[in-house]
Amino acid sequence: NAGVTQTPKFRVLKTGQSMTLLCAQDMNHEYMYWYRQDPGMGLRLIHYSVGEGTTAKGEVPDGYNVSRLKKQNFLLGLESAAPSQTSVYFCASSYWGRRPQETQYFGPGTRLLVL
Amino acid sequence: TQLLEQSPQFLSIQEGENLTVYCNSSSVFSSLQWYRQEPGEGPVLLVTVVTGGEVKKLKRLTFQFGDARKDSSLHITAAQPGDTGLYLCAGDPSNTGKLIFGQGTTLQVKP
Repeated sequence: NAGVTQTPKFRVLKTGQSMTLLCAQDMNHEYMYWYRQDPGMGLRLIHYSVGEGTTAKGEVPDGYNVSRLKKQNFLLGLESAAPSQTSVYFCASSYWGRRPQETQYFGPGTRLLVL
Repeated sequence: TQLLEQSPQFLSIQEGENLTVYCNSSSVFSSLQWYRQEPGEGPVLLVTVVTGGEVKKLKRLTFQFGDARKDSSLHITAAQPGDTGLYLCAGDPSNTGKLIFGQGTTLQVKP
């Protein structure tokens, strides 16, 4: 099993450009998440999904959109990139998110630089 | 305002020393988790503590959940260079699957 994979690994964008980050998991997990990680701020939840066809806002959703058309894939879109969106983006998945002991499995991250 | 406050944020020690990392909140959590993240990789779960006062051991790492379930600590005995990394505590305050993370503690263990 590959676990959670993310593409691309690194990307440079100019302000105003758009892009889509792809997350894929092969563990048949129901819940998927997108986080961003900035120095000194830990990880902050952008959007999440509790199942195929569903999405919901997290802590910092502005400027991002997501889609979960297939259970195994979760896409994060930036319609008009801004320098404030320079960050490392992590995707995660869990079998069932509501149990306190649930483990989230993280991908290796996508480093995004917006100039 | 950070719901989970970790301290210290940075720690640089020599191999063989002991250390403790703290994760504090004013809110009650049904459980808290500790993750470790190595450079260029995603976080990996170390442990979940569920019961107030619970102590869990993972080799040289000891995790404790406060009696009031508002705080947790991670103690490492005889640290080794392989312990170097970012340590993150996390909890789900609303029991909806949405984790809140502390800002992290960067640990460097020098040989």
